[in-house]
Amino acid sequence: AQRVTQPEKLLSVFKGAPVELKCNYSYSGSPELFWYVQYSRQRLQLLLRHISRESIKGFTADLNKGETSFHLKKPFAQEEDSAMYYCALSASIKAAGNKLTFGGGTRVLVKP
Amino acid sequence: DGGITQSPKYLFRKEGQNVTLSCEQNLNHDAMYWYRQDPGQGLRLIYYSQIVNDFQKGDIAEGYSVSREKKESFPLTVTSAQKNPTAFYLCASSLTATNEKLFFGSGTQLSVL
Repeated sequence: AQRVTQPEKLLSVFKGAPVELKCNYSYSGSPELFWYVQYSRQRLQLLLRHISRESIKGFTADLNKGETSFHLKKPFAQEEDSAMYYCALSASIKAAGNKLTFGGGTRVLVKP
Repeated sequence: DGGITQSPKYLFRKEGQNVTLSCEQNLNHDAMYWYRQDPGQGLRLIYYSQIVNDFQKGDIAEGYSVSREKKESFPLTVTSAQKNPTAFYLCASSLTATNEKLFFGSGTQLSVL
């Protein structure tokens, strides 16, 4: 069975400091991984996906199959990064909503 | 304003009562989904529909029912058989059943009186 673990419920950092959100997964096959974000008073939305290998809003995430991790990183956090972040895993290449397993979420608070 | 509309924002259920949560989308998406969100547990899939007139059970379908009579609408009924209905419910859609980008509604908070 697939499982996604986000060990930190709350992450508090100062503006300009690096931030790293941890995501660990368990899955025996080759997973597809995603980060979703929910800003205050906004809807949950896709932030990035590992197959795109892209940087969005300064965030990057690298899939480490050896450590079964997909940590989200940003070198210099901004106040507008304060939000709830969810890591999600899919067992299929085409990851429809019915195939996504979400982690419990990490709330990020960036202090001025 | 395109997107997914969930209503109501807040809903209260009495013991033994069925309640229906509305979800409408004008994105012309084929697939729609219902998730339940409990604190610290992430999102869990209740039901999904890959195309109109079709729907499938998700991971926690017991005590819930859905219909997909129109492409743009996917209402969720929380029945009296659902013993722990208090939660935040999120509706989502995707362009196709194999598309990984989900578009979410703003959610409905259901509480038991």
